[in-house]
Amino acid sequence: AQTVTQSQPEMSVQEAETVTLSCTYDTSESDYYLFWYKQPPSRQMILVIRQEAYKQQNATENRFSVNFQKAAKSFSLKISDSQLGDAAMYFCAYRRRGNKLVFGAGTILRVKS
Amino acid sequence: DSGVTQTPKHLITATGQRVTLRCSPRSGDLSVYWYQQSLDQGLQFLIHYYNGEERAKGNILERFSAQQFPDLHSELNLSSLELGDSALYFCASSVEDYQPQHFGDGTRLSIL
Repeated sequence: AQTVTQSQPEMSVQEAETVTLSCTYDTSESDYYLFWYKQPPSRQMILVIRQEAYKQQNATENRFSVNFQKAAKSFSLKISDSQLGDAAMYFCAYRRRGNKLVFGAGTILRVKS
Repeated sequence: DSGVTQTPKHLITATGQRVTLRCSPRSGDLSVYWYQQSLDQGLQFLIHYYNGEERAKGNILERFSAQQFPDLHSELNLSSLELGDSALYFCASSVEDYQPQHFGDGTRLSIL
């Protein structure tokens, strides 16, 4: 079974600084997708960024980028120029094509002003 | 706004009761997924429907059931409720198997 591990229960970052959230996963599949979802205090689940496993290029969405290391099964999220609105729980998730999302336990990100 | 609508937003009921949670997917999305988020279990997949047919089941209790109707909305039925069923229940939809899932705002279920 696929598993997703987020080893950092909580992280803190100073406003305008950069922070990296870690995620590792375990799978024997070659075709899959990886996601980062953000869950603010409102409890909504917001898609931050996605990465297709067949793509070598790391995905980027404005201030958010990933470091995808397929061989190491690592998928970290980098948030640049952190803002107060980035404070939330961040979930790393794995998905085989046409299948359910498997989530990590989440990392709470605190942003200090 | 994700385009996925879940009702009700909050539900408070007692042990032993039965409730129905409703989900309307984004326009054009054929797949509906249900997830449960609890403090001790995290985010867990419950069940997946595609165009009215059940595709996959996860850690869904026998007391729970779901269906997807011809208009593609879905309902999750929870019966013989227990205190441990208190959780946030999310519905997510996607248009194709390889597209991201977009989540509704969830239904917070509290069992007293």
